[in-house]
Amino acid sequence: EIVLTQSPDFQSVTPKEKVTITCRASQSIGSSLHWYQQKPDQSPKLLIKYASQSFSGVPSRFSGSGSGTDFTLTINSLEAEDAATYYCHQSTSLPFTFGQGTKLEIK
Amino acid sequence: EVQLVESGGGLVQPGGSLRLSCAASGFTFSSYWMHWVRQAPGKGLVWVSRINSDGSSTSYADSVKGRFTISRDNAKNTLYLQMNSLRAEDTAVYYCARGVYSGNYLHHDYWGQGTLVTVSS
Repeated sequence: EIVLTQSPDFQSVTPKEKVTITCRASQSIGSSLHWYQQKPDQSPKLLIKYASQSFSGVPSRFSGSGSGTDFTLTINSLEAEDAATYYCHQSTSLPFTFGQGTKLEIK
Repeated sequence: EVQLVESGGGLVQPGGSLRLSCAASGFTFSSYWMHWVRQAPGKGLVWVSRINSDGSSTSYADSVKGRFTISRDNAKNTLYLQMNSLRAEDTAVYYCARGVYSGNYLHHDYWGQGTLVTVSS
């Protein structure tokens, strides 16, 4: 099983700040790494697919990078509505796995 | 507009059974693989199962293998998850998600709102 480890687990940030969340895979997964945003009592929403491709309708302040084992989600100029938990997810091999999540709190 | 609507959750005793449904609309259901993912209260996301577009191929997480069965009815645009021998640790919100394949590459683009399953005596 491929283990995904996110950092940090929690971050408190101010609006307009730049945020970086990292995801490390226990083995190489190429670019099959996706990022989701989940707000309280909502289902996950796809932000970034295949490490760096923005999903339709996602604001341009969200971007992703990386390949192999190390990946990054960047949120430029954070907005209050970005308060959520962010998950990385690999779809290279079964069982598909998720990172433990990074909770973003807006100060 | 792609819509996935889960139903069938509820309170069930340990050892009991439950069948979840996921009604799909806004896309050609029979062309897509479908997946179930669950989330225990306050915890992260865990992949549970998948089924191919015509229902002939299925896969399961080890934690549910032999107890859960995924199926689909393409005529009704509905995905199912039959859950038997339920345990307390199966308590979670269950989401259905659409899987999009591009060659050998997969991503899940749309998810339902989830249905809560509580296993407790």
